[in-house]
Amino acid sequence: QVQLQESGPGLVKPSQTLSLTCTVSGGSISSGSYYWSWIRQPAGKGLEWIGRVYTSGSTNYNPSLKSRVTISIDTSKNQFSLRLNSVTAADTAVYYCARVYNVFLFFDWWGQGTLVTVSS
Amino acid sequence: EIVLTQSPGTLSLSPGERATLSCRASQSVSSNYLAWYQQKFGQAPRLLIYAVSNRATGIPDRFSGSGSGTDFTLTISRLEPEDFAVYYCQQYGSSLYTFGQGSKLEIK
Repeated sequence: QVQLQESGPGLVKPSQTLSLTCTVSGGSISSGSYYWSWIRQPAGKGLEWIGRVYTSGSTNYNPSLKSRVTISIDTSKNQFSLRLNSVTAADTAVYYCARVYNVFLFFDWWGQGTLVTVSS
Repeated sequence: EIVLTQSPGTLSLSPGERATLSCRASQSVSSNYLAWYQQKFGQAPRLLIYAVSNRATGIPDRFSGSGSGTDFTLTISRLEPEDFAVYYCQQYGSSLYTFGQGSKLEIK
């Protein structure tokens, strides 16, 4: 069974960079059958897709965040990462990493989520 | 960007009753790319249905999905206590994934 686990600082100062890593176990991140994605959810609100990365390193981002986001993949460590620049309080949310099946493009496995608070 | 609008916002029902949740898209959605998720408080979403009507592994057959074009429905035939949660629809189109705002299913 695939497992995903987010890790990174739970508190980030305004204007700084949010950095999170997702470690995948129980399966290879190099599988060509999947994309690897980040999604966030502010408290009490809905889900917002941030972006995705393929095993080749190719990426797609939500246009609303594209200027501030970088997602990368490290196949040697079975990990992928998120960097979000110039954060504000509006970026405070639970951040999830998830696997995307590349035929039907649904999110089949999710991490438990990690709360990131932007505050001075 | 395709906007998904879910209704009702909150549905109050009793165990054993039938639940019908709606997801309406601002543009036509490919039937391959419409999914439903269940989220309980403090947990990550769980995939229920993909490609409109296909149940994910381990999902009970009381959950079913239907629809096409811009109108989609998730039906829970007989509610169990563990079904009370928030439900989201999700689509993929034009290199962008979007989610509905969610429908909360609460115990009456």
